Amino acid sequence: NAGVTQTPKFQVLKTGQSMTLQCAQDMNHNSMYWYRQDPGMGLRLIYYSASEGTTDKGEVPNGYNVSRLNKREFSLRLESAAPSQTSVYFCASSERGVNGYTFGSGTRLTVV
Amino acid sequence: SQKIEQNSEALNIQEGKTATLTCNYTNYSPAYLQWYRQDPGRGPVFLLLIRENEKEKRKERLKVTFDTTLKQSLFHITASQPADSATGFCGSSNTGKLIFGQGTTLQVKP
Repeated sequence: NAGVTQTPKFQVLKTGQSMTLQCAQDMNHNSMYWYRQDPGMGLRLIYYSASEGTTDKGEVPNGYNVSRLNKREFSLRLESAAPSQTSVYFCASSERGVNGYTFGSGTRLTVV
Repeated sequence: SQKIEQNSEALNIQEGKTATLTCNYTNYSPAYLQWYRQDPGRGPVFLLLIRENEKEKRKERLKVTFDTTLKQSLFHITASQPADSATGFCGSSNTGKLIFGQGTTLQVKP
């Protein structure tokens, strides 16, 4: 049982490049989330998907787009990366928020 | 705007003592609060959830309280061990999406 799988684990981008962070869960959860974590800032919600076919903005959505491809997969896209997007990105899933979230192991992204 | 705050100063305690982490929220009334631990280089791991109509919840050496008057949740670890050293996060929600505090780092010394 893998839980939440994120790829890649590490990535270095140049300013202006684009990339997609992938996330998949195998727990049949309805809801999925993308967070970023910066030192001293805790976890900040970027986008979430309450159920397949829906997505909504979180606290810090600017510069990102998401796609809920199916119930299992929720991807995060950076169209034109900026140094301010250097962070650790976590994907999570839950059954409508109850009984806790399951987090992936994170993607460490550096934009130079 | 909705705010959830934790003491960002590190908490250092001696092995065997009780560690207490604090979480305060303002400008809203969360339906539930959740507590997580995070080890360096890893994703957060869910520990406990407490609903607004519950005063206290326990799981082994862990205890969480929810005081809607004080707008505060406390997370206690009794008989703490060095393996409990990690960063503790509280998250709150009343809409299904969790907003997290900034986390408190706990260091348990042998």
